[in-house]
Amino acid sequence: EPEVTQTPSHQVTQMGQEVILRCVPISNHLYFYWYRQILGQKVEFLVSFYNNEISEKSEIFDDQFSVERPDGSNFTLKIRSTKLEDSAMYFCASTRQTSTDTQYFGPGTRLTVL
Amino acid sequence: GNSVTQMEGPVTLSEEAFLTINCTYTATGYPSLFWYVQYPGEGLQLLLKATKADDKGSNKGFEATYRKETTSFHLEKGSVQVSDSAVYFCALSGSARQLTFGSGTQLTVLP
Repeated sequence: EPEVTQTPSHQVTQMGQEVILRCVPISNHLYFYWYRQILGQKVEFLVSFYNNEISEKSEIFDDQFSVERPDGSNFTLKIRSTKLEDSAMYFCASTRQTSTDTQYFGPGTRLTVL
Repeated sequence: GNSVTQMEGPVTLSEEAFLTINCTYTATGYPSLFWYVQYPGEGLQLLLKATKADDKGSNKGFEATYRKETTSFHLEKGSVQVSDSAVYFCALSGSARQLTFGSGTQLTVLP
């Protein structure tokens, strides 16, 4: 069964450093998402991406964040200058098309900012 | 905006007990409703969904009915197993497609 994959599974970085989190969505899916879950808190929407541009973004997704689909398979989330409060589990998801379609989630990347 | 309120955990049950996890929502329009499950060390997996009022989603013995009049989507299972131990998230998807999640409920089933 096709699945969403994410790398790395755990990333440790120093405050102020740039990180890139990688995702490979399911191959025939058209919509891509990033969510994050700070330890002990809710899963929060960050950004959605369709047709090579951002569809929607939350208040969390400020100028420090960017997303890209550099080729036909990868979908990346970049944090330009990490802060301590960026420490969280980051989930990628994809869906085929409509709002009623299931979003399939990857296993997540745990980001630890020291 | 959209919001989901979920029963606080953790919940601890004995094997074969009846499970209910309450979920209520606030949304404009006609959202789709979901239950996701997160097993230890894994990502979020869709457990079941319902896309319109009075729909019942079901999977692996779990059920939830979309109740528009009470804005609820409570998760139930008649007889839980140790393997059901996980965190359960209620979520909704409105016109904007992104999911709005509840806070999650940790379920532990004891043998």
